[in-house]
Amino acid sequence: EAQVTQNPRYLITVTGKKLTVTCSQNMNHEYMSWYRQDPGLGLRQIYYSMNVEVTDKGDVPEGYKVSRKEKRNFPLILESPSPNQTSLYFCASSWGLGNQPQHFGDGTRLSIL
Amino acid sequence: GENVEQHPSTLSVQEGDSAVIKCTYSDSASNYFPWYKQELGKRPQLIIDIRSNVGEKKDQRIAVTLNKTAKHFSLHITETQPEDSAVYFCVGGNNNDMRFGAGTRLTVKP
Repeated sequence: EAQVTQNPRYLITVTGKKLTVTCSQNMNHEYMSWYRQDPGLGLRQIYYSMNVEVTDKGDVPEGYKVSRKEKRNFPLILESPSPNQTSLYFCASSWGLGNQPQHFGDGTRLSIL
Repeated sequence: GENVEQHPSTLSVQEGDSAVIKCTYSDSASNYFPWYKQELGKRPQLIIDIRSNVGEKKDQRIAVTLNKTAKHFSLHITETQPEDSAVYFCVGGNNNDMRFGAGTRLTVKP
């Protein structure tokens, strides 16, 4: 089954404790992206990657890091989480560039206390 | 970069009525306009998309129209059903510069 898998689905943690949200897709897509969803703001792009070892900033990259060492994986790293990063996060993938239909993961709800 | 605005933020209709959600965009180079539906607690899922070389596209009860001159596009849902209740997002952009609208919460009352 074609899918984008995120882990964990839920996480409550404390300020400053490094965390990683994993994302994996099995569709051999070149393009992968991370979004955060906050009420009234829609989905805002954090980082995206057009292929292995190619990453770029989206609209709200501050406080986040990503890596793309393998085509299928695109982890999101919060080196020193803060309460304003409490949000619902989605990973997505598509073939080609960003102007193609995106397949989303089920989301990760992060709470930073 | 692109800026996408979406209206209304909430929409309530009676079952069987039509629903229309409108979006505007700022960048005349934008060429791809998908719409995503997000049910409560679920991931966004593509329901229909349109590219700039087409003015209208229809899929059963859902249609999207695009006016490139005015830089706006709309989602039309006819014969609405309770299962159409969800948040709908419009998206506009080109290549890697894609922007989501803020979303419209559609409620279909039985």
